[in-house]
Amino acid sequence: EVQLLESGGGLVQPGGSLRLSCAASGFTFSSFDMSWVRQAPGKGLEWVSGISDGGSSTYYADSVKGRFTISRDNSKNTLYLQINGLGAEDTAVYYCAKTIIAGKYYFDYWGQGTLVTVSS
Amino acid sequence: EIVLTQSPATLSLSPGERATLSCRASQSVSSYLAWYQQKPGQAPRLLIYFASYRATGIPARFSGSGSGTDFTLTISSLAPEDFAVYYCQQRTNWPLTFGGGTKVEIK
Repeated sequence: EVQLLESGGGLVQPGGSLRLSCAASGFTFSSFDMSWVRQAPGKGLEWVSGISDGGSSTYYADSVKGRFTISRDNSKNTLYLQINGLGAEDTAVYYCAKTIIAGKYYFDYWGQGTLVTVSS
Repeated sequence: EIVLTQSPATLSLSPGERATLSCRASQSVSSYLAWYQQKPGQAPRLLIYFASYRATGIPARFSGSGSGTDFTLTISSLAPEDFAVYYCQQRTNWPLTFGGGTKVEIK
């Protein structure tokens, strides 16, 4: 059974940093591209970042470019999102999501999300 | 950035009725479009990809159509568990983008 378990969210002050993790199991993690998608309270879905199966290619939304860094450790079956320079607009539930096929960015499995709250 | 516009914002229907949801892209996305369902407090669930391919385990009452800039998600006969928010998503260009969502509510 495919499982994605996010962690690392919490309350952080404006300007602060967090590292989110997503532990994957039930599939060959190293064979699939992965992404982070976020959802602000009461709002729609916003794709944040993606990474290729081997980790050599990364992609970002303009709203986070230069502040967020996606990475993965295929030996640990874990996806990461380093988020710096947090602002109130970054308050959201952050989901990690698995692509249905390597390189094809449709998401067939999602974690339950980790909440990031930016507030002083 | 490709903007996806979903309409209507809210659809009020009764169980058993047909639901037709629209997603319009600001430029062609070919057939590289997906649909997701999201219920309160849950992660999204993939329904349709490549515009018309049902994901594993998705009931046949869900169907997708369209190409280029205009896409439709049809639920042929609404089941009680289908009342939710639906999003479209394109993967033609970076950044990936989602539509703003259509809420299907019980009339």
